[in-house]
Amino acid sequence: AQSVTQPDIHITVSEGASLELRCNYSYGATPYLFWYVQSPGQGLQLLLKYFSGDTLVQGIKGFEAEFKRSQSSFNLRKPSVHWSDAAEYFCAVGEVTGQLVFGAGTILRVKS
Amino acid sequence: KAGVTQTPRYLIKTRGQQVTLSCSPISGHRSVSWYQQTPGQGLQFLFEYFSETQRNKGNFPGRFSGRQFSNSRSEMNVSTLELGDSALYLCASSPGLAVNEKLFFGSGTQLSVL
Repeated sequence: AQSVTQPDIHITVSEGASLELRCNYSYGATPYLFWYVQSPGQGLQLLLKYFSGDTLVQGIKGFEAEFKRSQSSFNLRKPSVHWSDAAEYFCAVGEVTGQLVFGAGTILRVKS
Repeated sequence: KAGVTQTPRYLIKTRGQQVTLSCSPISGHRSVSWYQQTPGQGLQFLFEYFSETQRNKGNFPGRFSGRQFSNSRSEMNVSTLELGDSALYLCASSPGLAVNEKLFFGSGTQLSVL
């Protein structure tokens, strides 16, 4: 069965500092990979996705992610974090049926 | 364009009751998926409907059911509620024409079972 691991439950970074959120997946074939963000009391918003092609994917709000097949990873990065980035971030892999398998999430706190 | 709308926003029920949640997708979207979000289990897929037919189903007991209407609106029903059913129920819509399209999520219905 497919699975997604986000090793960090909580991460705290200072405003203006760089950010990297880790994601590892288990999937037999080339995966469909996603990063979603959830603000308190809200639904999920797609930041970016990877299907194929260029392994460095650009998303909204200045986020990017790099697919590394050899490491089964799809880490999310942002060069300079803003206070408004504080939220919970979910990595997900898409099944062939289209349903998403989510990681447990990483809560990002931004210090001013 | 209006986003995905879920009603009600909050629900409080007691054990043994049943509940119906509603989801109105983005206009033109024919696929509606439901996810359950809990602190312990995270986000788990319930089922997906496309053009009034259930296309995929997750590993939930038969107490969880759903349907989709001809206007693509969807309802989810949970019968004989248990304490463990307390969760945020998220609905997501997409055009439904390709696998792993972008999903647009609603803000969810927060269900509390007492």
